[in-house]
Amino acid sequence: GAVVSQHPSWVICKSGTSVKIECRSLDFQATTMFWYRQFPKQSLMLMATSNEGSKATYEQGVEKDKFLINHASLTLSTLTVTSAHPEDSSFYICSARELTMGEAYGYTFGSGTRLTVV
Amino acid sequence: GENVEQHPSTLSVQEGDSAVIKCTYSDSASNYFPWYKQELGKRPQLIIDIRSNVGEKKDQRIAVTLNKTAKHFSLHITETQPEDSAVYFCAASIYDYKLSFGAGTTVTVRA
Repeated sequence: GAVVSQHPSWVICKSGTSVKIECRSLDFQATTMFWYRQFPKQSLMLMATSNEGSKATYEQGVEKDKFLINHASLTLSTLTVTSAHPEDSSFYICSARELTMGEAYGYTFGSGTRLTVV
Repeated sequence: GENVEQHPSTLSVQEGDSAVIKCTYSDSASNYFPWYKQELGKRPQLIIDIRSNVGEKKDQRIAVTLNKTAKHFSLHITETQPEDSAVYFCAASIYDYKLSFGAGTTVTVRA
């Protein structure tokens, strides 16, 4: 089946630094990638939607200058958390939308990145 | 946007009993309703899904029902086992685009 590889699986960074998270679709072309954030014991909250070759669309309340998303190719999307602060510590997970069996869309999730800002 | 509500937030069942989780959605244009199981620190795993042109779907011990008129859908797990213990999320999408998730249900199966 479809696989989305997400790296790193965990990262610890100092406050004020930037962190890049990558998601690659390994055996399909992901024209659309969704980025979620999940705080402990909470649901997945959509941060932004990226379409290959165009600017990402951010959900209300998400700072686009802080969470930079690049989707330059059909197999790679990146999320950069700029000037990270302890409140940005969370589980970040991507999800690629793919056309399954030429009829309907399915969603494949990356394995997630645990970000801890100290 | 789409708003998905999920109940209960926690559910404890005796092994072998059934578990039912219910979700409601707000946008009648929603057409895809997946259910995910998530273990701590892991990615959500799709366990079953249903589209708006179907009222019920079953896969072994797991079934999902959809009532479009009432805008609610439910997950049914029969003959629960300890390995069914996890957090379950319902979700809905409009025109197969972005997913909106429910708040989650922590299921504990008591041996």
